[in-house]
Amino acid sequence: DIVMTQSPDSLVVSLGERAAINCKSSQSVLHSSKKKNYLAWYQQKPGQPPKVLMSWASTRESGVPDRISGSGSGTDFTLTISSLQAEDVGVYYCQQYYSIVPTFGQGTKVEIK
Amino acid sequence: EVQLVESGGDLVQPGRSLRLSCAVSGFTFDNYAMHWVRQAPGKGLEWVSGINWNGANIGYADSVKGRFTISRDNAKNSLYLQMNSLRAEDTALYYCIRGALGGYDHNWFDTWGQGTPVTVSS
Repeated sequence: DIVMTQSPDSLVVSLGERAAINCKSSQSVLHSSKKKNYLAWYQQKPGQPPKVLMSWASTRESGVPDRISGSGSGTDFTLTISSLQAEDVGVYYCQQYYSIVPTFGQGTKVEIK
Repeated sequence: EVQLVESGGDLVQPGRSLRLSCAVSGFTFDNYAMHWVRQAPGKGLEWVSGINWNGANIGYADSVKGRFTISRDNAKNSLYLQMNSLRAEDTALYYCIRGALGGYDHNWFDTWGQGTPVTVSS
């Protein structure tokens, strides 16, 4: 299975500041012929199921604010929140869907300083 | 409104069986692959199983292969997970999830239920 490793495990950021979460896959999730990265990002708020933020590494889902963006290719990806808001608190997960068995990163907890 | 409502979670003894159900509404069920993902208490997410729109293609995580069976009834807009030979490590919140694309593989998950809790303990 493809192993997804996120860093850091937790992040404490002031309101309005930038937050960046990294996700590294044990093998490339870039489909060479389709030129697409098979990577999604989710946000999970306390007591709620995860909500998808991004697919194809950088395609924002409907309703996701444009202060949240995804970047990267191959094995290294980043989710960036350009100006952290109170509602951004939660745990963020990356997920690869390149292989038959989808796998998630261990999660990154984002808190307000 | 798209809704996924899980049921069937319970406290069971190791070695026993349990069947989870997921009732779906608000979208054309047989246009989508469906999945189960679980989350152990205080832990991350683990994909358990997925099924394509007509049940012809199915996949399982190695941790549940041979013990769990996924199925669906498109006439009833329902997804199921039959869990046999349960172990303590199967204790988790089980989410019913819609795949964003039609096939069960190479898919991300665009709609999640609230989850149903399964506790395996003597």
